[in-house]
Amino acid sequence: DAGITQSPRHKVTETGTPVTLRCHQTENHRYMYWYRQDPGHGLRLIHYSYGVKDTDKGEVSDGYSVSRSKTEDFLLTLESATSSQTSVYFCAISVSPGETQYFGPGTRLLVL
Amino acid sequence: DAKTTQPNSMESNEEEPVHLPCNHSTISGTDYIHWYRQLPSQGPEYVIHGLTSNVNNRMASLAIAEDRKSSTLILHRATLRDAAVYYCILTGRGGSNYKLTFGKGTLLTVNP
Repeated sequence: DAGITQSPRHKVTETGTPVTLRCHQTENHRYMYWYRQDPGHGLRLIHYSYGVKDTDKGEVSDGYSVSRSKTEDFLLTLESATSSQTSVYFCAISVSPGETQYFGPGTRLLVL
Repeated sequence: DAKTTQPNSMESNEEEPVHLPCNHSTISGTDYIHWYRQLPSQGPEYVIHGLTSNVNNRMASLAIAEDRKSSTLILHRATLRDAAVYYCILTGRGGSNYKLTFGKGTLLTVNP
């Protein structure tokens, strides 16, 4: 199994509070991704990174920011959490675009 | 993006083979066919991928039609652990082909 961990695995927070989710990999893959999964929408890409300090937006990036200061870590921040951001968040990694993506175990976030 | 079509659900008995179909009539010549699965409460998991030739690995086999407009994921002996949602996804290589587009997939039920 690819070495990908996500933390926290579960989080409950209140509307308006900042939240940071962490993805950590031990595979030294260049590309990292954040997806969210909601019933009826499947997985949707939030942001992705193609190298240290190199990031770009996905299809549902509003309300989210990311940072990647080290190859192994990719952080997703909700600056001011809203109830619509209640979801399951998955991190993924790949060697290059279009190559197989390996997913982490997910973080369940509940915004009250 | 080239789209795929899969049945919403399929059912199988334990220890019997399962053939999961996928139609991708608009596939381009450079698109790879990837299969992922997602077990309940887990992240998506890579199963297999191919370009033109049939492929085998420890998890499954992938049969690709000669015109590449369809493919079939074959689980040779289904187990209860194979109950999951199976996604057929087309991926290009390089450039902006970073995003995996997950459709609704096929929900596989395995009966004991």
